[in-house]
Amino acid sequence: EAGVTQFPSHSVIEKGQTVTLRCDPISGHDNLYWYRRVMGKEIKFLLHFVKESKQDESGMPNNRFLAERTGGTYSTLKVQPAELEDSGVYFCASSQDRGRMSGYTFGSGTRLTVV
Amino acid sequence: GNSVTQMEGPVTLSEEAFLTINCTYTATGYPSLFWYVQYPGEGLQLLLKATKADDKGSNKGFEATYRKETTSFHLEKGSVQVSDSAVYFCALSDRPGTASKLTFGTGTRLQVTL
Repeated sequence: EAGVTQFPSHSVIEKGQTVTLRCDPISGHDNLYWYRRVMGKEIKFLLHFVKESKQDESGMPNNRFLAERTGGTYSTLKVQPAELEDSGVYFCASSQDRGRMSGYTFGSGTRLTVV
Repeated sequence: GNSVTQMEGPVTLSEEAFLTINCTYTATGYPSLFWYVQYPGEGLQLLLKATKADDKGSNKGFEATYRKETTSFHLEKGSVQVSDSAVYFCALSDRPGTASKLTFGTGTRLQVTL
């Protein structure tokens, strides 16, 4: 079984530019989550999809962040325009049953650096 | 709101030393508790979990016991190896019995030397 795939693995962009991160969950996993770790701090929840619907987006920091999951398969997280404080590692995770039995499966993350 | 507090790192130990990484939490209700590990260059992996008070999670020689009276979930291992070098994250869920919407601690980096 393929794991959760995220790309790019690294991205360096200038302040004010746009970046789109992509997450491919495990096939058949209805639940998809985005998290972010700003350097040295805790990993924070951003949002949760169930299929194509946003179940909980309470962690999205502001309207510069837009997440989509068209068709309930892969998801994208767009940051537009990027600011310096958006730098960090963005993790995606998926689960079949909201992690009841086994927790999530996480991707390796996308390291975003805004300069 | 929910929160998780972990001991500051980095923690540096010699191989075969005993490991404790402290984790305490604040939560309403009865959360599930987790330890995740991130090895260099990899994603987060679930290490162990406990879903109710007094449960002990264990995996790969690591153990943690859900202590409701002290709101703690300390991670322990009797004899660490170089391959255990990684960042360890304590986390809780906001719904009992699930991992939905995890709240993480800041992570503790462990470095094990020969």
